[in-house]
Amino acid sequence: DGGITQSPKYLFRKEGQNVTLSCEQNLNHDAMYWYRQDPGQGLRLIYYSQIVNDFQKGDIAEGYSVSREKKESFPLTVTSAQKNPTAFYLCASRRASGSPDTQYFGPGTRLTVL
Amino acid sequence: GNSVTQMEGPVTLSEEAFLTINCTYTATGYPSLFWYVQYPGEGLQLLLKATKADDKGSNKGFEATYRKETTSFHLEKGSVQVSDSAVYFCALSGVNSGNTPLVFGKGTRLSVIA
Repeated sequence: DGGITQSPKYLFRKEGQNVTLSCEQNLNHDAMYWYRQDPGQGLRLIYYSQIVNDFQKGDIAEGYSVSREKKESFPLTVTSAQKNPTAFYLCASRRASGSPDTQYFGPGTRLTVL
Repeated sequence: GNSVTQMEGPVTLSEEAFLTINCTYTATGYPSLFWYVQYPGEGLQLLLKATKADDKGSNKGFEATYRKETTSFHLEKGSVQVSDSAVYFCALSGVNSGNTPLVFGKGTRLSVIA
């Protein structure tokens, strides 16, 4: 079955440590996205990538970094510079096309910094 | 720029009540419009979409009609169930936006009580 996988589902880290969240898709989508969601809040865009080896900052990129070395993978690193990293992180992808298409989401990773 | 405005929640309804969640948008031309649903602890799932004016998207008893004259895409369901309790997000994809991220509203939390 095609889809987006995020691992792990729950992640705990000590303050000051960098942590990398995994996002893999087998939908052959060109574009991938990372969002942050805080309790009771909407989605905030962190980074996105429209093509391999290229990515753009979203609204809240500070303290985060990404890479896009393969079409299938778009890992997100939460660095120690992120002041309040505890949140629910969602990865999404979208097919490249000339007309707008649906954005598909993974199941999310809940990060807790102790 | 493009934007989406949703009615603020939370919305609490009794089972079998009629549901309306308002969504209005600002965009040039004819964007594509989406409704996503997020169940507790999960990622977002596409509920329905419409790509041109007067289109009606429908799924699982939910409906929304793309109204260009009122720039609206209100979500409706005739008889809600407890299992419909979730957060609902309205979103748009701008004309010629390529793979830039969807623009999301802030979400509306729905609670259905038996």
